[in-house]
Amino acid sequence: QSALTQPPSASGSPGQSVTISCTGTSSDVGSYNYVSWYQQYPGKAPKLMIYEVNKRPSGVPDRFSGSKSANTASLTVSGLQAEDEADYYCNSYAGNGNYVFGTGTKVTVL
Amino acid sequence: QVQLVQSGAEVKKPGASVKVSCKASGYSFTDYFIHWVRQAPGQGLVWMGQINPSSDFSNYAQNVQGRLTVTRDTSTTTVYMELSSLRSEDTAVYYCARDGKHYGDSDFWGQGTLVTVSA
Repeated sequence: QSALTQPPSASGSPGQSVTISCTGTSSDVGSYNYVSWYQQYPGKAPKLMIYEVNKRPSGVPDRFSGSKSANTASLTVSGLQAEDEADYYCNSYAGNGNYVFGTGTKVTVL
Repeated sequence: QVQLVQSGAEVKKPGASVKVSCKASGYSFTDYFIHWVRQAPGQGLVWMGQINPSSDFSNYAQNVQGRLTVTRDTSTTTVYMELSSLRSEDTAVYYCARDGKHYGDSDFWGQGTLVTVSA
């Protein structure tokens, strides 16, 4: 199972929006609406930000939104804030109880 | 409150095995799957496998199949991850995470355990 493809980096100024793509295949992202997104600060455990493509856990700001089209999922962070500077990873169910993470994207707030 | 507390850092020689524990508390242990995820220094997250604590059924990623064993002890609400035939490439922080019942929505994570493989 190959890792899902994400851009290595993305950036935006405070208040702007940034969108991160997550490209998989018809065997994972394209087959299931079980894409989740995680935020990770250096040296910390990941935090769930989005699940089932576009659902937000309680406590996650509505500035974070998710979507999916065919084999590509996306995470959009609107109204960027300094605290959004972190690494972001997508994850998809891949069938038969297996999962695969994306390669990760470092978001920089300029 | 939900907590996953992992065992401490380990240093192992190539070819050895390591067993990391993940003690769960604050919820019904058998109601939620547990995933294991690792992260090599400066690298991304990699899914390794999961266990259903109710049935004791596990499944593993292809790249660790044959070397990884995930087990659980319901009496102590603890999940174990054992990785054998260690190589330097297995040096990483290993995390356990609870699946929130929505296929991959890991809502609670352990603090991570650093495993260093070095001669």
